Amino acid sequence: GIQVEQSPPDLILQEGANSTLRCNFSDSVNNLQWFHQNPWGQLINLFYIPSGTKQNGRLSATTVATERYSLLYISSSQTTDSGVYFCAAKETSGSRLTFGEGTQLTVNP
Amino acid sequence: DTEVTQTPKHLVMGMTNKKSLKCEQHMGHRAMYWYKQKAKKPPELMFVYSYEKLSINESVPSRFSPECPNSSLLNLHLHALQPEDSALYLCASRPGVGLFRGAQNEQFFGPGTRLTVL
Repeated sequence: GIQVEQSPPDLILQEGANSTLRCNFSDSVNNLQWFHQNPWGQLINLFYIPSGTKQNGRLSATTVATERYSLLYISSSQTTDSGVYFCAAKETSGSRLTFGEGTQLTVNP
Repeated sequence: DTEVTQTPKHLVMGMTNKKSLKCEQHMGHRAMYWYKQKAKKPPELMFVYSYEKLSINESVPSRFSPECPNSSLLNLHLHALQPEDSALYLCASRPGVGLFRGAQNEQFFGPGTRLTVL
């Protein structure tokens, strides 16, 4: 099955800083999603982005499908951005979404 | 209505109890999922229902029994659980079934049920 690797595993920022999270995947995908898991466990959909670039406020994401990676950009980070960010991908021929191990983001005031 | 709901939010049960987790969505989605998530780990797929039929069972022990009574509802029946089954149980749904491109593929998650087995 597809392998999904995220980096870095942990990231600590000061409020206002920018950051880039990376997701590498091992096969062609027809689904790639970024999620933010808040401290209560809710997985919040950030982006559905099997290819291309999308922006939503301070967040943006780019997936380069031909090179099998996706990037999540967080600008002007806020303490409420803290939590775990998961990348998940489904290979084109597959039937299940495979999650990376996540990036634990801590934004300090 | 663009959300997946789960009840209860928290559940504490003994190893001899029988309980059920409930998941509901009213988005007309045709695929529904159960995931299990342990602390500091990603969600792990347990079951997939497509058009109300079980399509994937990831070799889950029989003490977990899924049920899809209709297209909006998904249950997970629990019986004779072990303490190691304590985890966050997440439900998800997806609009389309099969090899779709586009937004039919996007999965949406509920808030989860935090289960503790004593």
